[in-house]
Amino acid sequence: AQSVTQPDIHITVSEGASLELRCNYSYGATPYLFWYVQSPGQGLQLLLKYFSGDTLVQGIKGFEAEFKRSQSSFNLRKPSVHWSDAAEYFCAVGAQTGGFKTIFGAGTRLFVKA
Amino acid sequence: DVKVTQSSRYLVKRTGEKVFLECVQDMDHENMFWYRQDPGLGLRLIYFSYDVKMKEKGDIPEGYSVSREKKERFSLILESASTNQTSMYLCASRRDAGYGYTFGSGTRLTVV
Repeated sequence: AQSVTQPDIHITVSEGASLELRCNYSYGATPYLFWYVQSPGQGLQLLLKYFSGDTLVQGIKGFEAEFKRSQSSFNLRKPSVHWSDAAEYFCAVGAQTGGFKTIFGAGTRLFVKA
Repeated sequence: DVKVTQSSRYLVKRTGEKVFLECVQDMDHENMFWYRQDPGLGLRLIYFSYDVKMKEKGDIPEGYSVSREKKERFSLILESASTNQTSMYLCASRRDAGYGYTFGSGTRLTVV
């Protein structure tokens, strides 16, 4: 079955510290992979996406993610977190050929402490 | 940038009312989607549309219907609102699968 797992419901990091949010997926074919961010009371915003090629992808707001096929993972990273990064982050996968559905993980809420 | 506009940020409706949630996108996207978001359950797909007058059921279509008469507008209809439909509703559009979604700001619906 297709699924996306974000093992951490919430994470707290200090401002200026590095961040890694985990995402594991189960998908029959090579998927598209996405990370979205949601600020409180807002819709989701696309941070970055992976199709193929270079397994390290750069996104907006200084985020990057690395696709590891052998581990079925697509972890999101940021070298230095800012207080404004506090939000909920969603990993998502979708089919590259055919299909319209995108499967979202349950989300990881990031808290940033001063 | 693509903009997806949801007509209401907050709505309060009574049980049994017919409720319309409107969504408009301005970049000529073929595909539009309605999700609901609930704590602990993530995003769940209600309906989607890949063309005008076309619609497909998502994972939780019961109690909902949709309308897409024009390419830019995708409406979600709660035929008879119930308290278990209290939720955040998110509309999204995209060009195709590889482009990711553009989401609206959401409509927080409370059914009392």
